[in-house]
Amino acid sequence: DAKTTQPTSMDCAEGRAANLPCNHSTISGNEYVYWYRQIHSQGPQYIIHGLKNNETNEMASLIITEDRKSSTLILPHATLRDTAVYYCIVRVWNQGGKLIFGQGTELSVKP
Amino acid sequence: ETGVTQSPTHLIKTRGQQVTLRCSSQSGHNTVSWYQQALGQGPQFIFQYYREEENGRGNFPPRFSGLQFPNYSSELNVNALELDDSALYLCASSLWRGGVTGELFFGEGSRLTVL
Repeated sequence: DAKTTQPTSMDCAEGRAANLPCNHSTISGNEYVYWYRQIHSQGPQYIIHGLKNNETNEMASLIITEDRKSSTLILPHATLRDTAVYYCIVRVWNQGGKLIFGQGTELSVKP
Repeated sequence: ETGVTQSPTHLIKTRGQQVTLRCSSQSGHNTVSWYQQALGQGPQFIFQYYREEENGRGNFPPRFSGLQFPNYSSELNVNALELDDSALYLCASSLWRGGVTGELFFGEGSRLTVL
Protein backbone atom coordinates (compact mmCIF):
# COMPACT_ATOMS: atom_id res chain seq x y z
CA ASP A 1 0.00 0.00 0.00
CA ALA A 2 2.86 2.35 -0.86
CA LYS A 3 1.62 5.81 -1.74
CA THR A 4 4.59 6.74 -3.92
CA THR A 5 6.00 5.72 -7.29
CA GLN A 6 9.62 6.16 -8.28
CA PRO A 7 11.80 5.07 -11.19
CA THR A 8 13.48 1.76 -10.51
CA SER A 9 16.98 2.98 -11.28
CA MET A 10 18.96 6.05 -12.34
CA ASP A 11 22.54 6.88 -13.20
CA CYS A 12 24.40 10.09 -12.42
CA ALA A 13 27.92 11.30 -13.21
CA GLU A 14 30.12 12.09 -10.25
CA GLY A 15 30.09 15.82 -9.45
CA ARG A 16 26.82 16.44 -11.25
CA ALA A 17 23.45 17.05 -9.62
CA ALA A 18 21.26 14.00 -9.11
CA ASN A 19 17.55 14.69 -9.47
CA LEU A 20 15.34 11.92 -8.15
CA PRO A 21 11.62 12.22 -8.97
CA CYS A 22 8.70 10.87 -6.97
CA ASN A 23 4.96 10.80 -7.59
CA HIS A 24 2.53 10.85 -4.67
CA SER A 25 -0.76 11.83 -6.28
CA THR A 26 -2.95 10.52 -3.42
CA ILE A 27 -1.16 12.38 -0.64
CA SER A 28 -3.43 13.88 2.01
CA GLY A 29 -3.22 17.39 3.38
CA ASN A 30 -1.40 16.55 6.61
CA GLU A 31 0.96 13.90 5.20
CA TYR A 32 4.60 14.74 4.87
CA VAL A 33 7.01 13.58 2.18
CA TYR A 34 10.13 11.97 3.60
CA TRP A 35 13.28 10.79 1.85
CA TYR A 36 15.57 8.12 3.17
CA ARG A 37 18.42 6.28 1.52
CA GLN A 38 19.86 2.85 2.13
CA ILE A 39 23.36 1.79 1.28
CA HIS A 40 23.65 -1.93 0.73
CA SER A 41 22.84 -3.96 3.86
CA GLN A 42 22.83 -0.92 6.14
CA GLY A 43 19.90 0.71 7.92
CA PRO A 44 18.00 3.49 6.10
CA GLN A 45 19.46 6.97 6.59
CA TYR A 46 17.21 10.02 6.96
CA ILE A 47 17.82 12.70 4.31
CA ILE A 48 15.09 15.34 4.39
CA HIS A 49 11.34 15.87 4.71
CA GLY A 50 8.75 18.49 3.83
CA LEU A 51 5.05 19.28 3.81
CA LYS A 52 4.50 21.83 1.04
CA ASN A 53 7.44 24.24 1.00
CA ASN A 54 10.80 23.50 -0.57
CA GLU A 55 13.39 22.41 1.95
CA THR A 56 17.18 22.35 2.00
CA ASN A 57 19.69 20.91 4.40
CA GLU A 58 23.36 19.96 4.30
CA MET A 59 22.62 16.77 2.38
CA ALA A 60 20.00 17.67 -0.18
CA SER A 61 17.15 19.85 -1.40
CA LEU A 62 13.52 18.83 -1.66
CA ILE A 63 11.28 20.46 -4.23
CA ILE A 64 7.53 19.80 -3.81
CA THR A 65 5.09 20.85 -6.54
CA GLU A 66 2.37 23.31 -5.63
CA ASP A 67 -0.35 20.64 -5.92
CA ARG A 68 1.84 18.34 -3.75
CA LYS A 69 1.35 15.45 -6.15
CA SER A 70 5.03 15.05 -6.87
CA SER A 71 8.43 16.00 -5.55
CA THR A 72 12.11 15.88 -6.51
CA LEU A 73 15.09 15.17 -4.31
CA ILE A 74 18.22 16.97 -5.46
CA LEU A 75 21.73 15.93 -4.48
CA PRO A 76 23.66 18.96 -5.71
CA HIS A 77 27.09 17.38 -6.27
CA ALA A 78 26.80 13.61 -6.29
CA THR A 79 29.76 11.53 -5.13
CA LEU A 80 30.44 7.82 -5.41
CA ARG A 81 29.36 7.48 -1.77
CA ASP A 82 25.86 8.62 -2.75
CA THR A 83 25.31 5.34 -4.59
CA ALA A 84 22.33 3.82 -2.74
CA VAL A 85 18.61 3.04 -2.91
CA TYR A 86 16.60 6.22 -2.34
CA TYR A 87 13.13 5.90 -0.86
CA CYS A 88 10.44 8.53 -1.23
CA ILE A 89 7.91 8.00 1.55
CA VAL A 90 4.59 9.52 2.51
CA ARG A 91 4.36 9.53 6.26
CA VAL A 92 0.97 8.38 7.52
CA TRP A 93 -0.01 9.82 10.88
CA ASN A 94 -2.32 7.09 11.99
CA GLN A 95 -0.57 4.21 13.71
CA GLY A 96 1.99 6.52 15.19
CA GLY A 97 3.45 8.02 12.06
CA LYS A 98 4.59 4.87 10.32
CA LEU A 99 6.72 5.08 7.19
CA ILE A 100 5.32 3.26 4.14
CA PHE A 101 8.28 2.37 1.96
CA GLY A 102 7.94 1.60 -1.74
CA GLN A 103 10.55 -0.05 -3.93
CA GLY A 104 12.79 2.99 -4.13
CA THR A 105 15.18 4.24 -6.83
CA GLU A 106 18.58 2.63 -7.13
CA LEU A 107 20.96 5.51 -7.86
CA SER A 108 24.35 4.66 -9.33
CA VAL A 109 26.90 7.45 -9.30
CA LYS A 110 29.59 6.79 -11.88
CA PRO A 111 33.08 8.29 -12.19
CA GLU B 1 25.83 6.66 13.02
CA THR B 2 22.42 7.10 14.59
CA GLY B 3 23.05 5.80 18.11
CA VAL B 4 20.50 3.02 17.58
CA THR B 5 22.09 -0.34 18.28
CA GLN B 6 20.69 -3.76 17.45
CA SER B 7 21.71 -7.26 18.44
CA PRO B 8 22.51 -9.78 17.23
CA THR B 9 23.70 -8.62 13.81
CA HIS B 10 23.25 -12.03 12.22
CA LEU B 11 21.57 -15.23 13.32
CA ILE B 12 20.38 -18.52 11.89
CA LYS B 13 17.33 -20.38 13.15
CA THR B 14 15.33 -23.37 11.99
CA ARG B 15 11.65 -23.47 11.11
CA GLY B 16 9.41 -23.61 14.19
CA GLN B 17 11.92 -22.02 16.55
CA GLN B 18 11.50 -18.72 18.36
CA VAL B 19 13.78 -15.66 18.13
CA THR B 20 14.29 -12.48 20.15
CA LEU B 21 15.91 -9.41 18.63
CA ARG B 22 17.02 -6.44 20.73
CA CYS B 23 17.27 -2.71 20.15
CA SER B 24 18.65 0.20 22.14
CA SER B 25 17.20 3.59 21.25
CA GLN B 26 19.07 6.77 20.55
CA SER B 27 19.51 8.83 23.72
CA GLY B 28 16.51 11.07 24.36
CA HIS B 29 14.14 9.07 22.14
CA ASN B 30 10.98 7.55 23.62
CA THR B 31 9.46 5.67 20.68
CA VAL B 32 10.65 2.52 18.96
CA SER B 33 9.35 0.98 15.77
CA TRP B 34 10.29 -2.25 14.00
CA TYR B 35 10.43 -2.95 10.27
CA GLN B 36 10.98 -6.13 8.27
CA GLN B 37 12.93 -5.93 5.01
CA ALA B 38 12.90 -8.95 2.73
CA LEU B 39 15.65 -9.24 0.13
CA GLY B 40 15.17 -6.74 -2.68
CA GLN B 41 12.16 -5.08 -1.04
CA GLY B 42 11.57 -1.90 0.92
CA PRO B 43 11.11 -2.13 4.69
CA GLN B 44 7.62 -3.06 5.95
CA PHE B 45 6.23 -1.62 9.19
CA ILE B 46 5.68 -4.25 11.90
CA PHE B 47 4.72 -2.20 14.95
CA GLN B 48 5.61 0.77 17.13
CA TYR B 49 5.92 1.20 20.90
CA TYR B 50 5.49 4.33 22.99
CA ARG B 51 5.50 4.37 26.77
CA GLU B 52 5.80 0.59 26.81
CA GLU B 53 2.58 0.11 24.83
CA GLU B 54 1.99 -0.78 21.21
CA ASN B 55 0.50 2.25 19.44
CA GLY B 56 0.54 1.07 15.86
CA ARG B 57 0.75 -2.25 14.04
CA GLY B 58 1.19 -3.29 10.44
CA ASN B 59 -0.14 -6.36 8.69
CA PHE B 60 1.79 -8.97 10.65
CA PRO B 61 0.38 -12.01 12.49
CA PRO B 62 0.25 -12.23 16.31
CA ARG B 63 3.31 -14.46 16.43
CA PHE B 64 5.23 -11.20 15.94
CA SER B 65 5.23 -9.47 19.31
CA GLY B 66 7.27 -6.85 21.06
CA LEU B 67 8.17 -5.15 24.28
CA GLN B 68 9.42 -1.74 25.23
CA PHE B 69 11.20 -1.29 28.54
CA PRO B 70 11.27 1.73 30.90
CA ASN B 71 14.66 2.76 29.47
CA TYR B 72 12.98 2.79 26.00
CA SER B 73 14.93 -0.19 24.71
CA SER B 74 12.88 -2.79 22.89
CA GLU B 75 12.61 -6.42 21.87
CA LEU B 76 11.00 -8.07 18.87
CA ASN B 77 9.90 -11.66 19.38
CA VAL B 78 8.89 -14.01 16.60
CA ASN B 79 7.40 -17.40 17.44
CA ALA B 80 6.98 -20.46 15.22
CA LEU B 81 9.46 -19.20 12.64
CA GLU B 82 8.66 -19.75 8.97
CA LEU B 83 11.02 -19.70 6.01
CA ASP B 84 9.47 -16.41 4.83
CA ASP B 85 10.54 -14.75 8.08
CA SER B 86 14.08 -14.65 6.70
CA ALA B 87 14.79 -10.92 6.41
CA LEU B 88 16.65 -7.92 7.76
CA TYR B 89 14.85 -6.65 10.87
CA LEU B 90 15.30 -2.94 11.43
CA CYS B 91 14.69 -0.99 14.60
CA ALA B 92 14.10 2.77 14.49
CA SER B 93 13.83 5.23 17.34
CA SER B 94 12.22 8.64 17.43
CA LEU B 95 10.91 11.26 19.82
CA TRP B 96 7.13 11.44 20.31
CA ARG B 97 6.18 14.93 21.29
CA GLY B 98 2.94 16.85 20.98
CA GLY B 99 1.13 13.94 19.34
CA VAL B 100 3.59 13.42 16.51
CA THR B 101 6.91 11.68 16.13
CA GLY B 102 10.04 13.25 14.73
CA GLU B 103 12.39 11.70 12.23
CA LEU B 104 13.06 7.99 12.59
CA PHE B 105 16.67 6.97 13.06
CA PHE B 106 17.41 3.39 12.10
CA GLY B 107 19.88 0.86 13.41
CA GLU B 108 21.95 -1.37 11.14
CA GLY B 109 19.53 -4.27 11.52
CA SER B 110 19.55 -7.91 12.52
CA ARG B 111 19.73 -10.35 9.63
CA LEU B 112 17.68 -13.46 10.35
CA THR B 113 17.97 -16.60 8.25
CA VAL B 114 15.41 -19.35 8.79
CA LEU B 115 16.37 -22.79 7.48
